[in-house]
Amino acid sequence: DAGVTQSPTHLIKTRGQQVTLRCSPKSGHDTVSWYQQALGQGPQFIFQYYEEEERQRGNFPDRFSGHQFPNYSSELNVNALLLGDSALYLCASSLRGPETQYFGPGTRLLVL
Amino acid sequence: RKEVEQDPGPFNVPEGATVAFNCTYSNSASQSFFWYRQDCRKEPKLLMSVYSSGNEDGRFTAQLNRASQYISLLIRDSKLSDSATYLCVVNTVNYQLIWGAGTKLIIKP
Repeated sequence: DAGVTQSPTHLIKTRGQQVTLRCSPKSGHDTVSWYQQALGQGPQFIFQYYEEEERQRGNFPDRFSGHQFPNYSSELNVNALLLGDSALYLCASSLRGPETQYFGPGTRLLVL
Repeated sequence: RKEVEQDPGPFNVPEGATVAFNCTYSNSASQSFFWYRQDCRKEPKLLMSVYSSGNEDGRFTAQLNRASQYISLLIRDSKLSDSATYLCVVNTVNYQLIWGAGTKLIIKP
């Protein structure tokens, strides 16, 4: 039973560039949530996708957008990257809601 | 005031000791609660859910106090492998999980 997978594992970008991160949920899960975790902080909720729609959104600007595909996999897009976007981006999957989320290993993004 | 607050620590505890963490939350309508464990440079992993009646899993005990709006985690007979950051998570009514910043635990031999 495959767990949550994310790609890429590491990424280096420069300010102003755009980035796309990918997530495949755990088998049988239909809900994907994205989080940003800065060093020494807890994860900050970006948004959650269910049935290919954004169900809930945290306090992040419109530069952060996402998508969920029919196979439940998801993408996180960040436009016009800022230095402050450097963080670990975590994807978590669950069944029909935020309960008992299982996390992928994350993508470490460094913006120079 | 933050929605979910934790003492960042670090808690330096000798092996075999008992240690307890608290986590306070501000939204009285919060419905479910969790403790996650996060090792350095790894993803968070669910440690246990926290039920109203309290629950125990081996050396770990979680309690919920709705009146005072806090949850607690007790670790008995601590092991070196318990060294990690423990994150408190609260589920609000609108599908969001709100995370604390975590409490760092260091178990010393």
